[in-house]
Amino acid sequence: GAVVSQHPSWVICKSGTSVKIECRSLDFQATTMFWYRQFPKQSLMLMATSNEGSKATYEQGVEKDKFLINHASLTLSTLTVTSAHPEDSSFYICSARVGGSSNQPQHFGDGTRLSIL
Amino acid sequence: QKEVEQNSGPLSVPEGAIASLNCTYSDRGSQSFFWYRQYSGKSPELIMSIYSNGDKEDGRFTAQLNKASQYVSLLIRDSQPSDSATYLCAVDMGSNYKLTFGKGTLLTVNP
Repeated sequence: GAVVSQHPSWVICKSGTSVKIECRSLDFQATTMFWYRQFPKQSLMLMATSNEGSKATYEQGVEKDKFLINHASLTLSTLTVTSAHPEDSSFYICSARVGGSSNQPQHFGDGTRLSIL
Repeated sequence: QKEVEQNSGPLSVPEGAIASLNCTYSDRGSQSFFWYRQYSGKSPELIMSIYSNGDKEDGRFTAQLNKASQYVSLLIRDSQPSDSATYLCAVDMGSNYKLTFGKGTLLTVNP
């Protein structure tokens, strides 16, 4: 149980393109989803917390107009990197948790490797 | 600032040995603690969760929690080369269910 699917796995695109990444909880309802970014040999960096039906909460230093997050249902959150540039190239990972209890862990998707040329 | 500290390693152990990974956290009120394993180039995978003081065992893995000392550890018995990965300690410090992650300890199990 607690499977999180993330799509696509790899994206290579030109500078200036917008890229959408989907994160789905397949066998549970996720009231809260999280988006992380990880650069090579560095730790996870939380970008934003996404609650179903409300605006995402962004961490300090993360541009909300550049990284658009939508959490329209209890099983789907999307991250759109708008007008991507080479410095946005990174490993983006979503996670989701089952709602209702503070003891629930986060379950991670497989991640999306984004390369901007 | 709320922090989770881990020794970055690398920690190198021979196959069959016990690997001991340690983590300290700054928020005394934290209630939920998790260990994740992350292979190179992959996303984190949940190994263990622990919420009460003491030990919790799951197969070759044992998580230990001491809230008074603000310390959580992970023991891996009979370590295998396939256990070679970065182990992330994560703590729920009560802020909208966010987890605060340590920087991870790189474990290498040598055949």
